[in-house]
Amino acid sequence: DIQMTQSPSSVSASVGDRVTITCRASQGISSWLAWYQQKPGEAPKLLIYTASSLQSGVPSRFSGSGSGTDFTLTISSLQPEDFATYYCQQANTFPYTFGQGTKLEIK
Amino acid sequence: QVQLQESGPGLVKPSQTLSLTCTVSGGSISNGGHYWSWIRQHPGKGLEWIGYIYYSGTTYDNPSLKSRLTISVDTSKNQFSLKLSSVTAADTAVYYCASLTYYERAFDMWGQGTVVTVSS
Repeated sequence: DIQMTQSPSSVSASVGDRVTITCRASQGISSWLAWYQQKPGEAPKLLIYTASSLQSGVPSRFSGSGSGTDFTLTISSLQPEDFATYYCQQANTFPYTFGQGTKLEIK
Repeated sequence: QVQLQESGPGLVKPSQTLSLTCTVSGGSISNGGHYWSWIRQHPGKGLEWIGYIYYSGTTYDNPSLKSRLTISVDTSKNQFSLKLSSVTAADTAVYYCASLTYYERAFDMWGQGTVVTVSS
């Protein structure tokens, strides 16, 4: 299976900050990467697919980039509702696998 | 708007079979473009893709669970189901049903999740 490693595992930030989360694949996955946001007690929500495509209805402060093995999710100006856990997911090779998550906390 | 809803027992005894159903509303499960999936999340942990079924009956099972796993579809009821046999405490998790988009290969719609505890 392809291993997905996110960094950092947790990050503290303030409203208005710019935050970047990194996801690294154990082998090349082209641009087959998605990002999800999960709040406590809720199902994950799709934010980004194919590395950089914004899902309909997701605010434009979220953006994704990367290809091959290294990817980033950037939130340009944190809003209170953005404090959550973020997961990456590779969709290049079965079985599709997820990163371990990055918890974004309020500083 | 398509919605997914999981249903099934919240408590299963060790060695028994876990059975869950996902009901799709607001759209037909037979419309192409989605693979109907199961994903689980162990307590306080990350996400694990269990497998999918297409409306035609084509399935993919995660090899880590394949020997114990059955995913089926009932297009007449707009439902798909999961059966996981010989469960242990390690199968305790929140189970989500979700749709995997055919072209984008992302899980775009999710059920709210159902907690399944394996305990005697």
